[in-house]
Amino acid sequence: KNEVEQSPQNLTAQEGEFITINCSYSVGISALHWLQQHPGGGIVSLFMLSSGKKKHGRLIATINIQEKHSSLHITASHPRDSAVYICAVNRGQGAQKLVFGQGTRLTINP
Amino acid sequence: NAGVTQTPKFQVLKTGQSMTLQCAQDMNHEYMSWYRQDPGMGLRLIHYSVGAGITDQGEVPNGYNVSRSTTEDFPLRLLSAAPSQTSVYFCASRSWSTGTHTSSGQYFGPGTRLTVT
Repeated sequence: KNEVEQSPQNLTAQEGEFITINCSYSVGISALHWLQQHPGGGIVSLFMLSSGKKKHGRLIATINIQEKHSSLHITASHPRDSAVYICAVNRGQGAQKLVFGQGTRLTINP
Repeated sequence: NAGVTQTPKFQVLKTGQSMTLQCAQDMNHEYMSWYRQDPGMGLRLIHYSVGAGITDQGEVPNGYNVSRSTTEDFPLRLLSAAPSQTSVYFCASRSWSTGTHTSSGQYFGPGTRLTVT
């Protein structure tokens, strides 16, 4: 079993819908990351969380440390949000190495 | 700032050949790392460095060497290429301090697509 599991693996929605992508992990962590990989392959870091919630534009990331679960939400989704969203964790305290989930492929249709 | 640059973008090697994937960053980041991305497996850490002169192994280090003689450069060497090393390789860097970033402040290069025949 992977230490970091994402769901769903694939998600297709219509423009304007509210999107939720989930990430569960089975190890102690010092931080959790959400990354975005565009169809061209480039990877961008969206959020790093160790507790609570962060918001940037239409993106919101939350984490529940007790439940070992994080969600990434996209409000008012747009076709340009189509990408692979990747969850990753720093395993253990003070660890810099990242362990990655397999990614969620999101497609937003106009 | 150019950010994180990688060369080449594409490379085809024959089994047994050696080569070096180049990675450079101009942000004075201490931490640099190399990942490979394979279909259905996500990103996996190959090697990483926490500063000039310091490197360590990641999850899948076999068949790869790294060195960090300067803060800016972190080349990845394939010693004797094998078809199992066909993958997309990403270099990344970050500073220890994330400042006011909402993100980790981690920056990824554009990737190198390597095919070993």
